[in-house]
Amino acid sequence: QQQVKQSPQSLIVQKGGISIINCAYENTAFDYFPWYQQFPGKGPALLIAIRPDVSEKKEGRFTISFNKSAKQFSLHIMDSQPGDSATYFCAASLGRDDKIIFGKGTRLHILP
Amino acid sequence: DAGITQSPRHKVTETGTPVTLRCHQTENHRYMYWYRQDPGHGLRLIHYSYGVKDTDKGEVSDGYSVSRSKTEDFLLTLESATSSQTSVYFCAIKPGLAGTDTQYFGPGTRLTVL
Repeated sequence: QQQVKQSPQSLIVQKGGISIINCAYENTAFDYFPWYQQFPGKGPALLIAIRPDVSEKKEGRFTISFNKSAKQFSLHIMDSQPGDSATYFCAASLGRDDKIIFGKGTRLHILP
Repeated sequence: DAGITQSPRHKVTETGTPVTLRCHQTENHRYMYWYRQDPGHGLRLIHYSYGVKDTDKGEVSDGYSVSRSKTEDFLLTLESATSSQTSVYFCAIKPGLAGTDTQYFGPGTRLTVL
């Protein structure tokens, strides 16, 4: 049973546009929601993370929007650049002593 | 890379042979994890450890075993490799500090089972 569902599987965006990746979760006890970025041949790296007590978190061009009632969260990449082309994973965790559940990933391609 | 090394980085082996992958960390973090990554499946947890000699199964543990005799090393063993275990394997650590649940990943091991 997949506890974190991610969409779309792949996404193509023009340079300068907004990239949006969506995730939905089932377990309302999740209390940590990170996004990871992975370049080819590399391990995933933490991009940005949010906890459910806030509805939005912004770091530079990257923003997480969180909707607790809908059990959904999304990643927005503003002014998307070719260097943002990577695979993005959303994830959820029950807390410090628990494992993280990952979505299946979104392959993002930014057209130059 | 958060002080995480994985060895080997690439390995080709034959069906039925045993394989051991090593994850080494330099920061004495308590939590360590093994994942496999396959197209269309994302990252799936194989086994994890929350201390020396303390390990537990993840969602895809069949065919895999782990050992952690020292804080810095977490070994993943395929007792008898099968073609379905062809994958990229990632080790991760979690510092376990208050207020952070972040996992940090190693560079990965690409395993091909012929």
